Amino acid sequence: NAGVTQTPKFQVLKTGQSMTLQCAQDMNHNSMYWYRQDPGMGLRLIYYSASEGTTDKGEVPNGYNVSRLNKREFSLRLESAAPSQTSVYFCASGLSGANVLTFGAGSRLTVL
Amino acid sequence: GENVEQHPSTLSVQEGDSAVIKCTYSDSASNYFPWYKQELGKRPQLIIDIRSNVGEKKDQRIAVTLNKTAKHFSLHITETQPEDSAVYFCAASTSDYKLSFGAGTTVTVRA
Repeated sequence: NAGVTQTPKFQVLKTGQSMTLQCAQDMNHNSMYWYRQDPGMGLRLIYYSASEGTTDKGEVPNGYNVSRLNKREFSLRLESAAPSQTSVYFCASGLSGANVLTFGAGSRLTVL
Repeated sequence: GENVEQHPSTLSVQEGDSAVIKCTYSDSASNYFPWYKQELGKRPQLIIDIRSNVGEKKDQRIAVTLNKTAKHFSLHITETQPEDSAVYFCAASTSDYKLSFGAGTTVTVRA
């Protein structure tokens, strides 16, 4: 089992460009999450999807959109990237809510 | 929303000694408290968790204690080993889907 797979691992964007981070899980988990990790700030929830067909805002949703494409896949889109969105992004999934989350390997995004 | 504070931000211990990390939370409705370990360049991984109806939980060399009255919980690592060197994050949850994380503690175990 691959667990949680996210792509790309690294990306450099210019201000104003758009991109989509992809995430897929093969554990038949119901809920999926996008977090960002910045130095000294821990992990902050951007958006989550409690189940297929639903999405909700987390702590820092501004500048992002998400799509729960099916039970396996949850994508994060930056429509117009800003330097403040330079971060490491982690996708995660959980069988029952946010208990026992399994994280992906992370995607390092730099916005110039 | 929930606010989780974590101390210390860095911790250096001699191999074989104990390490203690403390977290406080603001929302008395929080009912789930996990701890995640993140090795350098790796993904966070759950190492232990506790629910609000339990005061203490142990798993080999790690233990977590919870004081609901004071709204704080702690991670204890005994007999530290080099592989315990990592960043540790505490978290608290008031809902099924929203975890609030602390800022992290970088633990270095000196040989």
